[in-house]
Amino acid sequence: DQQVKQNSPSLSVQEGRISILNCDYTNSMFDYFLWYKKYPAEGPTFLISISSIKDKNEDGRFTVFLNKSAKHLSLHIVPSQPGDSAVYFCAASDGAGSYQLTFGKGTKLSVIP
Amino acid sequence: EAGVTQFPSHSVIEKGQTVTLRCDPISGHDNLYWYRRVMGKEIKFLLHFVKESKQDESGMPNNRFLAERTGGTYSTLKVQPAELEDSGVYFCASSDGVAGRTGEQFFGPGTRLTVL
Repeated sequence: DQQVKQNSPSLSVQEGRISILNCDYTNSMFDYFLWYKKYPAEGPTFLISISSIKDKNEDGRFTVFLNKSAKHLSLHIVPSQPGDSAVYFCAASDGAGSYQLTFGKGTKLSVIP
Repeated sequence: EAGVTQFPSHSVIEKGQTVTLRCDPISGHDNLYWYRRVMGKEIKFLLHFVKESKQDESGMPNNRFLAERTGGTYSTLKVQPAELEDSGVYFCASSDGVAGRTGEQFFGPGTRLTVL
């Protein structure tokens, strides 16, 4: 049973517009949520994270929003650039004793010039 | 600073053979993790080392998989004997203690394993 779900396998956005990637989770014990970006033939690269005690975290063009009551988070990229084209993974950690990350299946973002 | 490195980048073996994957973490990172991504599915946790000790091996699929981290530096993941369902990309990641707590892990490029 998937604890972290990314229901959109792919997303296409025009350059300069906003990209919104969504993620849902079921485990209420998760206390950190992260977004990783992955290019082909490379490993995932950490992008941005948010603690469960916050509802927003911003880093440059990237903002993550967390809605704990809905068990939902989203990543906003604005403005989107062609170099943002990659697979984005949502991940979560419960941090209690294990540092393991639970990942979603990923969303492939294509930013069209 | 060198990132996480993995060797080999690709491995093609026949069912029943043995394969050993190697991971060199970022220098100074006590935490080392193995993950696996089977085609079309999510990246799944296999195990977590703190230095040379196995902290969490709850994700290891069965006893055909053996991970070691002698001396607390590099790690190996051996699959013996390999089965068709073991095919996938095996990622290694590392982190220091603080980053590990918040989930920020540094991933290697992965080893693509194909079992025929």
